[in-house]
Amino acid sequence: DIVLTQSPDSLAVSLGERATINCKSSQSVSYSSHNKNFLSWYQQKPGQPPKLLIYWVSTRESGVPDRFSGSGSGTDFTLTISSLQAEDVAVYYCQQYYNTLWTFGQGTKVEIK
Amino acid sequence: QEQLVESGGGVVQPGRSLRLSCAASGFTFSNYGMHWVRQAPGKGLEWVAVIWYDGSNKYYPDSVKGRFTISRDTSKNTLFLQMNSLRAEDTAVYYCAREGRDSGWYLGGFDIWGQGTMVTVSP
Repeated sequence: DIVLTQSPDSLAVSLGERATINCKSSQSVSYSSHNKNFLSWYQQKPGQPPKLLIYWVSTRESGVPDRFSGSGSGTDFTLTISSLQAEDVAVYYCQQYYNTLWTFGQGTKVEIK
Repeated sequence: QEQLVESGGGVVQPGRSLRLSCAASGFTFSNYGMHWVRQAPGKGLEWVAVIWYDGSNKYYPDSVKGRFTISRDTSKNTLFLQMNSLRAEDTAVYYCAREGRDSGWYLGGFDIWGQGTMVTVSP
């Protein structure tokens, strides 16, 4: 099974500064026949369900602010918050789909410094 | 407005069974694959089950295979999770989630989530 490992486990960033979260897959999540990488990112605030931010590595879900961006390919992926806002305090998860299995990273907690 | 509402959670003894439901509204339920995802207290997310849009395929991770069964009733726009032989490690909030689509392609991820229902397995 594919294992997703996020780093760091937590980070504290000043308001307005950049936050970067990494997600490394134990094997490639690329479907060459579909030309798709099924790698998504979610934001979860306390007491709430997760919210989809990014899918197909870099496509922002409708309504998600453009300060959130995703990048990467193969086995290494990144979620970037370009200018951290107070409302971005949350736990962020990467998630992949491959071969009828869906798996999540362990999560990264983002706080304000 | 697209919405998923779970129900059926509660406290159950180890080895017993429980059936969760998820009522869908605001979208054409029969067009979408549906999932269950769980989250143990203070822990991360774990995918539990998927059912294809037409019910033709169902998949599970090894942690629940043979104990959990996902199903759907399109006439009632409802998703189910039958959980048998429950264990303490099944204690979690259980979310139902929709497999998202964009321009006819599956996202490989979940675009709509319910609020979750808590399942506690305890003697």
